[in-house]
Amino acid sequence: DIQMTQSPSTLSASVGDRVTITCRASQSIGTWLAWYQQKPGKAPKLLIQEVSILQSGVPSRFSGSGSGTEFALTVSGLQPDDVATYHCQQYHISVTFGQGTKVEVK
Amino acid sequence: QVQLVESGGGVVRPGTSLRVSCVASGFSFSNYAMNWVRQAPGKGLQWMGVVSSDGNTADYGDSVKGRFTISRDNSRNTVYLEMNNLRVEDTAVYYCVKTDCESASCRLLDSWGQGSLVTVST
Repeated sequence: DIQMTQSPSTLSASVGDRVTITCRASQSIGTWLAWYQQKPGKAPKLLIQEVSILQSGVPSRFSGSGSGTEFALTVSGLQPDDVATYHCQQYHISVTFGQGTKVEVK
Repeated sequence: QVQLVESGGGVVRPGTSLRVSCVASGFSFSNYAMNWVRQAPGKGLQWMGVVSSDGNTADYGDSVKGRFTISRDNSRNTVYLEMNNLRVEDTAVYYCVKTDCESASCRLLDSWGQGSLVTVST
C-alpha cells in the first residue's frame, strides 16, 4: 500500500497569513494527488485534483504543487471560512488518504 | 446539482450484518463509478471500495476485502454497501462518493453524500 504522510497535524495562523500543508507519498504517485476540505460536521469537498487543478468555485487563494512523492497545498491569505481539516489523497494505486491537517484561525 | 443521500446506518452488535444505501440524483447515475469512504470518530478518511458504472466490477480496500460488498441498482439510482461480520472498529460515518468516470479504476472522489453513522457496540 502507498502511505500518505501529512504535516503538520494542526496549524494555527492569523487571517491573511500564507499557510502551507505538505503531503509525502511512500512511493512515486506521479500527479495523481487530490486535496479535500472538510469543514466541521460536514462531508469532505474536492478542492484540487491532479496536484494543481482547482475545482470550479474554489477561491484562487488555494493552490497545489509538487510531483512524485512531495506535494503541498498553499492558502495565500487565510480567511475565517478556511477553518477546516484538509486531507490529501493519492489515486495512483488504489486510494489512500493522509491523516488530515486541522487548520485554525488565531 | 449532484445529491447523494445515505441511509441505513444505526447501532448493531459485533458479528452482525448491515446494509447501507445511497440514493443519487442530479446526474446520470449509470455513467459513473461509485465509491464508499468511511471516517471513524475523530479520525481520518479510509477508502472502502468502488463499483463500476455497470455494476460488473468492484474493488475493495484491504481492511474490508471479503467482509464488505458494494453493489448498485441503476434502475433505482442506488448504490449499496453490505457489511458482514461487523467489528467494533468498523464504527464510523460511511460516505457515498461519486467519481469522475465509469470504470472501477476511477478514484477521484468528486461529490460526497452527507454520510450515515454506523455504530458497532455490545
